[in-house]
Amino acid sequence: GAVVSQHPSRVICKSGTSVKIECRSLDFQATTMFWYRQFPKQSLMLMATSNEGSKATYEQGVEKDKFLINHASLTLSTLTVTSAHPEDSSFYICSAPLMRGGSEQYFGPGTRLTVT
Amino acid sequence: SQQGEEDPQALSIQEGENATMNCSYKTSINNLQWYRQNSGRGLVHLILIRSNEREKHSGRLRVTLDTSKKSSSLLITASRAADTASYFCATVPTGTYKYIFGTGTRLKVLA
Repeated sequence: GAVVSQHPSRVICKSGTSVKIECRSLDFQATTMFWYRQFPKQSLMLMATSNEGSKATYEQGVEKDKFLINHASLTLSTLTVTSAHPEDSSFYICSAPLMRGGSEQYFGPGTRLTVT
Repeated sequence: SQQGEEDPQALSIQEGENATMNCSYKTSINNLQWYRQNSGRGLVHLILIRSNEREKHSGRLRVTLDTSKKSSSLLITASRAADTASYFCATVPTGTYKYIFGTGTRLKVLA
């Protein structure tokens, strides 16, 4: 069945460094992918919509220069947390709709980012 | 914020009892979905109910949807310790394909 993978599953980095998280759709193409952030014991908050071949669309309050999104191919979107700080520590989850414009989505397993 | 509300925030029950969680949302929707998340893990899709459906069953799960009240409920019957997890509703507002998640219910089933 359709699967979305994320890499890495867990990353620890030092404050001030940048971290790249990959989201891949396996066995299907995704012109759109979504990135979410989840703080401990809280819900998922949509950060941005990643669009293949064009700029990402960011939700209100999300800094686009802080969270760089690149959707260079139909199966890969990357989220780069630039100049990470401890407050960026969170669980980052991506998702992709199986069909273009479809509302049923598949979620990746998530990436746990810890900034020390 | 468009985020949906869920109640209760936390629920603790004995194994074998039923668990009911409620979700309220703010906009008209295409569909509503329920997900489970074990601590620190990814989301597991449980069930999808479309805006023109009122009730849906899947195994021990029963979901209702009342679009006039903008609310949904998830009932887990005969709960098991393995059902311990956080449960989230997610709506897709009409005209979009974005998921808006509820605040979640943390369910603990005691053996």
